[in-house]
Amino acid sequence: DTGVSQDPRHKITKRGQNVTFRCDPISEHNRLYWYRQTLGQGPEFLTYFQNEAQLEKSRLLSDRFSAERPKGSFSTLEIQRTEQGDSAMYLCASSVLAGFEQYFGPGTRLTVT
Amino acid sequence: DAKTTQPPSMDCAEGRAANLPCNHSTISGNEYVYWYRQIHSQGPQYIIHGLKNNETNEMASLIITEDRKSSTLILPHATLRDTAVYYCIVRVGDDKIIFGKGTRLHILP
Repeated sequence: DTGVSQDPRHKITKRGQNVTFRCDPISEHNRLYWYRQTLGQGPEFLTYFQNEAQLEKSRLLSDRFSAERPKGSFSTLEIQRTEQGDSAMYLCASSVLAGFEQYFGPGTRLTVT
Repeated sequence: DAKTTQPPSMDCAEGRAANLPCNHSTISGNEYVYWYRQIHSQGPQYIIHGLKNNETNEMASLIITEDRKSSTLILPHATLRDTAVYYCIVRVGDDKIIFGKGTRLHILP
């Protein structure tokens, strides 16, 4: 399968713990996006990378959130000191540079208890 | 905020054409109309996009009005697998996507 993959698919954590998610984009896709989706809502943009450079961050991305794409390939999204409000589906998408289509992964569902 | 308005839900009989409307009255000249759909528990899936002209691919057709203030996504022969939330989005070609709440399409057997 050559689509976008995300790991883990599900994560349950206790409030206050740190979590890290991984996204592997489609090979040779320059752009990588992170979105968050809560129940009944459309996905919300968090941040995106062009190669290894983080070019835009949403105001939704508080200082507890950090994203990296160290070698311009896979990306990680870390949430420190998780809160119950962080419970959501975290989606990753990738696209070729200046391409029109974003290809989404299956998402990581985070539950904070 | 999303720049589009869609009905929250629609029903369509299996085998019939599903016509999903979208209003985007404030669309700018360089913004495209995109459609994505999201099947339950999956990531969004790109369907089609267009600028001015009507477009067709293997999944659907996109009809854009001449003034570009509204559009319609047409699924020509809906099947149960087309049950999903459909998002109409306007954006510059390679910009981030701003999703609204979309239209929940129910295909009835």
